[in-house]
Amino acid sequence: QVQLVQSGSELKKPGASVKVSCKASGYTLRSHAMNWVRQAPGQGLEWMGWINTNTGNPSYAQGFTGRFVFSLDTSVNTAYLQISSLEAEDTAVYYCARAQYSGNAYDYWGQGTLVTVSS
Amino acid sequence: QSALTQPASVSGSPGQSIAISCTGTNSDIGIYNYVSWYQQHPGKAPKLMIYDVSNRPSGVSNRFSASKSGNTASLTISGLQSEDEADYYCSSKRGSNSLVFGGGTKLTVL
Repeated sequence: QVQLVQSGSELKKPGASVKVSCKASGYTLRSHAMNWVRQAPGQGLEWMGWINTNTGNPSYAQGFTGRFVFSLDTSVNTAYLQISSLEAEDTAVYYCARAQYSGNAYDYWGQGTLVTVSS
Repeated sequence: QSALTQPASVSGSPGQSIAISCTGTNSDIGIYNYVSWYQQHPGKAPKLMIYDVSNRPSGVSNRFSASKSGNTASLTISGLQSEDEADYYCSSKRGSNSLVFGGGTKLTVL
């Protein structure tokens, strides 16, 4: 069965970097685009962007350019989100989400990774 | 980018029907038939309930239905059950390469 398993919670200091992994199983990573969604504490879902899992080409939503990087390692069926120069406002749960073939609905989600930025 | 507009909360009694609206613009809901709805229980990942305006994924109860008219989409839940109590989010394609979520609606089953 399809599963997306994300790496565990992270506690980081402001200015540090973090890399969140999202390991796909039950299907080949290349067959579906991968999206990233942020949810700040007590807030709604915010689309961060997506990565074309065939070409590795990422596309970032407004507000997620510069410090945010999507990447892949297809040899281990894993997608990654890296955030640099962390700020307190980056504290959130980050989800990876597999796109359906149409690309506009997300049929499988990771369990979420809580990133806490605090001095 | 501004989110789609949803009511902050709705409520209903067991067995009743409720509807949640999701209002967008001519740049998203108004021109694309790519509206989705997600259910999220506290501390859990979102779950896809509706895609492409009105289609239910396999395994989703037929008590969940959805539609769209103009710039507004709606999710209807009939025969409310206690396990339906959750947050609900709509989303829509916006532009050629973008997606936007609604602000979310908290459903309370009285």
